[in-house]
Amino acid sequence: EADIYQTPRYLVIGTGKKITLECSQTMGHDKMYWYQQDPGMELHLIHYSYGVNSTEKGDLSSESTVSRIRTEHFPLTLESARPSHTSQYLCASSGEGLKLEQYFGPGTRLTVT
Amino acid sequence: AQKVTQAQTEISVVEKEDVTLDCVYETRDTTYYLFWYKQPPSGELVFLIRRNSFDEQNEISGRYSWNFQKSTSSFNFTITASQVVDSAVYFCALSEESGYSTLTFGKGTMLLVSP
Repeated sequence: EADIYQTPRYLVIGTGKKITLECSQTMGHDKMYWYQQDPGMELHLIHYSYGVNSTEKGDLSSESTVSRIRTEHFPLTLESARPSHTSQYLCASSGEGLKLEQYFGPGTRLTVT
Repeated sequence: AQKVTQAQTEISVVEKEDVTLDCVYETRDTTYYLFWYKQPPSGELVFLIRRNSFDEQNEISGRYSWNFQKSTSSFNFTITASQVVDSAVYFCALSEESGYSTLTFGKGTMLLVSP
């Protein structure tokens, strides 16, 4: 069973606020990922990291930013939330070598009013 | 560029029916990996299986089975004797060896199993 945590699970916030979505894993995985899932179910990779101090943008352009100062922690920040940011955000991590399967956290459902 | 197609948006079956979820992929790599994930209503994606491109053996795990055919670029998932608890969205995904472990997901198939 994967040990990857996301907080908060649900967040309703007003336009213009700064928010940080937390993601932590206790598996010692080097690789971590953020996905955005729209109401139509499709998953889009928005950020990923191969290790400490490594961050890359994913396939879907996002106004969010990420940081990776510690192996176990990969927070996502929105400087100024907008209604278009309303979505489900899923964090994942994966191990080394052929252990390519990603393990997902429970997700954060963000609503910007 | 890699692509995963799940043509079935939604499937409805009655409990105990068998159901097959289709997955077709495109890749230029000769080494790649295929995955299936389940997303129940709670929202968390659960890893089900990983398959390597060099291993075409089909796999069975309880009521779940997977049929990997490189000739048709397909990796289909069958649930035998479906149950209400199988109701979820199922995602097929592809990872290329050159893709540094990132996954490309299909759009998902929502499976509804009614009693």
